[in-house]
Amino acid sequence: DQQVKQNSPSLSVQEGRISILNCDYTNSMFDYFLWYKKYPAEGPTFLISISSIKDKNEDGRFTVFLNKSAKHLSLHIVPSQPGDSAVYFCAARGYNNAGNMLTFGGGTRLMVKP
Amino acid sequence: DGGITQSPKYLFRKEGQNVTLSCEQNLNHDAMYWYRQDPGQGLRLIYYSQIVNDFQKGDIAEGYSVSREKKESFPLTVTSAQKNPTAFYLCASSTGRQNTEAFFGQGTRLTVV
Repeated sequence: DQQVKQNSPSLSVQEGRISILNCDYTNSMFDYFLWYKKYPAEGPTFLISISSIKDKNEDGRFTVFLNKSAKHLSLHIVPSQPGDSAVYFCAARGYNNAGNMLTFGGGTRLMVKP
Repeated sequence: DGGITQSPKYLFRKEGQNVTLSCEQNLNHDAMYWYRQDPGQGLRLIYYSQIVNDFQKGDIAEGYSVSREKKESFPLTVTSAQKNPTAFYLCASSTGRQNTEAFFGQGTRLTVV
């Protein structure tokens, strides 16, 4: 069973508008959440993270929101730029998770049109 | 420059052959991981290691083997027992501490011919 789900495989947004990428999780032991950005044939690069003790974290154009009761997080990119076009993965880690490994969602392909 | 390096970037293997993917990091990270990505899918954990000389199976370990003889190195062997080895393989490392991110290498694309 997928513990981290990104239900939208793709998203198309006009340049300058807001991009909202969503992620749901089922494991209540997850307490740290991350977003990664990935270009084709490259490794993912870390974008932004949030601890479960917070509900919002902001870094420049990127903001992550966490709703623990709904087990839902979202990444907002504003304004969106063509260079933001990539696949975005959300990931989660559990407290005392042996190895601190990340569980990833399936990814959402974001296309920002000029 | 600190980082994590995977080699080779592209690898071709004949059916029935074992092949080893290299992963080296100079970030002084304790934990290292191997993930597999298939087209249109997320990253699935193959193996991970929290410390030298110790490693654990992930969700899809069958047909793979690893070793962790040095802190800097975590090679992955794709054996002939792996039924569908063609995929993009990603190595990552982290400090292993809470609330820290993992850093990824550039990946190795393995194709079985």
